[in-house]
Amino acid sequence: GEDVEQSLFLSVREGDSSVINCTYTDSSSTYLYWYKQEPGAGLQLLTYIFSNMDMKQDQRLTVLLNKKDKHLSLRIADTQTGDSAIYFCAESMIKAAGNKLTFGGGTRVLVKP
Amino acid sequence: NAGVTQTPKFRVLKTGQSMTLLCAQDMNHEYMYWYRQDPGMGLRLIHYSVGEGTTAKGEVPDGYNVSRLKKQNFLLGLESAAPSQTSVYFCASSRHNQETQYFGPGTRLLVL
Repeated sequence: GEDVEQSLFLSVREGDSSVINCTYTDSSSTYLYWYKQEPGAGLQLLTYIFSNMDMKQDQRLTVLLNKKDKHLSLRIADTQTGDSAIYFCAESMIKAAGNKLTFGGGTRVLVKP
Repeated sequence: NAGVTQTPKFRVLKTGQSMTLLCAQDMNHEYMYWYRQDPGMGLRLIHYSVGEGTTAKGEVPDGYNVSRLKKQNFLLGLESAAPSQTSVYFCASSRHNQETQYFGPGTRLLVL
């Protein structure tokens, strides 16, 4: 079955690193995504990782994938107040038609000055 | 290049009323999707389309209908709105299967 879970809330001080965790259940996932949603806005794609990779780095963002444990994490270095948002992880699987994403419930990140 | 746009941004309906949400994309994407977002539940797929003239059911299709008469537009219809359909609706599009989905800004719907 398809199930993606995230912790609800994370509080972090400005300048520290943030780590947002996600677990998924479907081992046939092909891509795993991180999206950011700011208040009143749509979802913005931050980064994604293919399932045969362990790590991907993109500027302040580092994605780690542990396929054995079905665990995905997003690390934000030098967290800024502008990073306050809800972060969603999502998995996609090869289907006969459509690229259907399954989303986690989102982690609300609050950055304190 | 506007990306994915949605109209309206916000709407209030009475129970039993009907309405259509419009999604438009100017990226020539084949795939389009409608999601709803409810607190603590992430996004759930309502319907999707893999090309002009085709639609398919997602995870929570009941109470909704869709049409994809033109490649750039994907319409979501509520024939008889219910309070349980109060939600934020997001449209997304992707170029092909397994490609990144790009999201619109959302439509906030309140059904009284």
